[in-house]
Amino acid sequence: SAVISQKPSRDICQRGTSLTIQCQVDSQVTMMFWYRQQPGQSLTLIATANQGSEATYESGFVIDKFPISRPNLTFSTLTVSNMSPEDSSIYLCSVERSGRIDEQFFGPGTRLTVL
Amino acid sequence: AQSVAQPEDQVKVAEGNPLTVKCTYSVSGNPYLFWYVQYPNRGLQFLLKYITGDNLVKGSYGFEAEFNKSQTSFHLKKPSALVSDSALYFCAVRDIGANNLFFGTGTRLTVIP
Repeated sequence: SAVISQKPSRDICQRGTSLTIQCQVDSQVTMMFWYRQQPGQSLTLIATANQGSEATYESGFVIDKFPISRPNLTFSTLTVSNMSPEDSSIYLCSVERSGRIDEQFFGPGTRLTVL
Repeated sequence: AQSVAQPEDQVKVAEGNPLTVKCTYSVSGNPYLFWYVQYPNRGLQFLLKYITGDNLVKGSYGFEAEFNKSQTSFHLKKPSALVSDSALYFCAVRDIGANNLFFGTGTRLTVIP
């Protein structure tokens, strides 16, 4: 399995500010994903981040709001920009190892509260 | 388009009794199917998967799931529930050719001592 860490684990932020969430993996991975889990709801994919290329965003999510970086095969960041209370969610990083298309591992999540 | 339905928001069973958490899916081709569990204040943990082969797959913590192609179902089961099984369970599907998982809405399992 892959060991994934996320920073911060939780944060409380003011409306209009931005927060950058870091995801670190203990091994090189091809695919990294960012999901959002709003309170009491399921996971929704925000974007897929491949090293060396622009992130691919799902419908309803845009780069200006959720810019993503993927500088190498073990690290990615997601920024939640110009936050509003509706952005209060758990944000999860997920990875898929190279050559293993059938299994994804999830980080512990970042619990964001926007006041 | 792919979709996953978990028809029960909550399931309650007595400790020691068998449990079933239901999941049905819709994909354009042959699916990859998964179950994940989320304990309070923790991330998702992988339980089991169906890719191909035997329709009955066994996973972590004594859980198993049966793939039924005709009913497009992938119900999660365990012969004897433990209180420690109480958690939120997510069924997920991945369509062939897609990179990401599509999750159901989750079922909260409560095992009563």
